[in-house]
Amino acid sequence: AQSVTQPDIHITVSEGASLELRCNYSYGATPYLFWYVQSPGQGLQLLLKYFSGDTLVQGIKGFEAEFKRSQSSFNLRKPSVHWSDAAEYFCAVGASGGATNKLIFGTGTLLAVQP
Amino acid sequence: DAEITQSPRHKITETGRQVTLACHQTWNHNNMFWYRQDLGHGLRLIHYSYGVQDTNKGEVSDGYSVSRSNTEDLPLTLESAASSQTSVYFCASSPGQASNTGELFFGEGSRLTVL
Repeated sequence: AQSVTQPDIHITVSEGASLELRCNYSYGATPYLFWYVQSPGQGLQLLLKYFSGDTLVQGIKGFEAEFKRSQSSFNLRKPSVHWSDAAEYFCAVGASGGATNKLIFGTGTLLAVQP
Repeated sequence: DAEITQSPRHKITETGRQVTLACHQTWNHNNMFWYRQDLGHGLRLIHYSYGVQDTNKGEVSDGYSVSRSNTEDLPLTLESAASSQTSVYFCASSPGQASNTGELFFGEGSRLTVL
């Protein structure tokens, strides 16, 4: 069965510093991978997704993620964090494409940004 | 604009009462999902549906039920609310076509407190 691990529950970075959020997945075939962001009191918004092609994917708000099959990882990065990036971030894996896909989510990483 | 709406956004109820959370989407998506979000657990799948009259159990379905009588709505019912069901509930949908990557579109959540 597929699963997702986000090892960092809580991360604090200074504004302007770089950011990397870790995500490891377990799945036998090529997964569909997603990063979502949740601002306080809000639903989840898609940041970026990977399902084929270039292993470095660009998303909204200046985020990017790199798929590394050998490490079963899909880490999220941003070169310079803004105070508005403070939120909870979720990595998710989908078993396959097609009409009946569903996602399994990690436990989330809460990002705090210091001025 | 197409959207997905949940109601009520906040509800307080008592142990043993029946509660129904509504979810309505106007994207004409075939797939609809209910997740619950709890600290330390991330989002866990409760029930999902791939079309009218189709419902399936997720990983935490005990004590919950859903029905799908039309494309737009997937209400979630707690037959006899328990304190362990205090949580934030998210409804989501996806297109459900062959080209579907599994990307989910989320509602803003319903916060349920069971006293």
